[in-house]
Amino acid sequence: QLQLQESGPGLVKPSETLSLTCTVSGGSISSSSYYWGWIRQPPGKGLEWIGSIYYSGSTYYNPSLKSRVTISVDTSKNQFSLKLSSVTAADTAVYYCARGKVATEDEMYYFDYWGQGTLVTVSS
Amino acid sequence: AIWMTQSPSLLSASTGDRVTISCRMSQGISSYLAWYQQKPGKAPELLIYAASTLQSGVPSRFSGSGSGTDFTLTISCLQSEDFATYYCQQYYSFPYSFGQGTKLEIK
Repeated sequence: QLQLQESGPGLVKPSETLSLTCTVSGGSISSSSYYWGWIRQPPGKGLEWIGSIYYSGSTYYNPSLKSRVTISVDTSKNQFSLKLSSVTAADTAVYYCARGKVATEDEMYYFDYWGQGTLVTVSS
Repeated sequence: AIWMTQSPSLLSASTGDRVTISCRMSQGISSYLAWYQQKPGKAPELLIYAASTLQSGVPSRFSGSGSGTDFTLTISCLQSEDFATYYCQQYYSFPYSFGQGTKLEIK
């Protein structure tokens, strides 16, 4: 059974960089059929796609966050990571990592497995 | 970007009821739509993809329909475990986007 687990600091100061890692177990991050994504959810609000990465390193970011986001992959550790710079209180959210299952010929995907999520609070 | 309008935002129903949730797109997305269920304090879970294909393990009382710009999630006979928040998501083009959510509560 595939499992994803987010890890990283639960508290980040304003203007600093949020860093999270997602560890994948029960399957290989190097599979050609999947992308790996980050989605966040501010308290009491809806879901926002942050970005995704393929095992080869190709990345896709939400334009609303693109200037501050970096997603990377470490296939040797079966992990992928998120960095969000210059954070403010508006970045306080539960951050989820998820597996994107390729569903179309042009490699678009929906998210079929999710981590449990980790709350990151931005506060001094 | 594709804008999504999900309605209603709040739905009150009773066990055994049939309910429908709507998701409308600002432009056509073929059938590239997924539905998720989220319970408080938990991650979303995939219910339906390709607008109408049930994810493995999801009860058959859940069904999805639609294509192009208008989509519907139907729960045919509500069970107690179905009271949750539901989201649609388009994966037709970047940036991927989610509907605003529909909270299904007990009447």
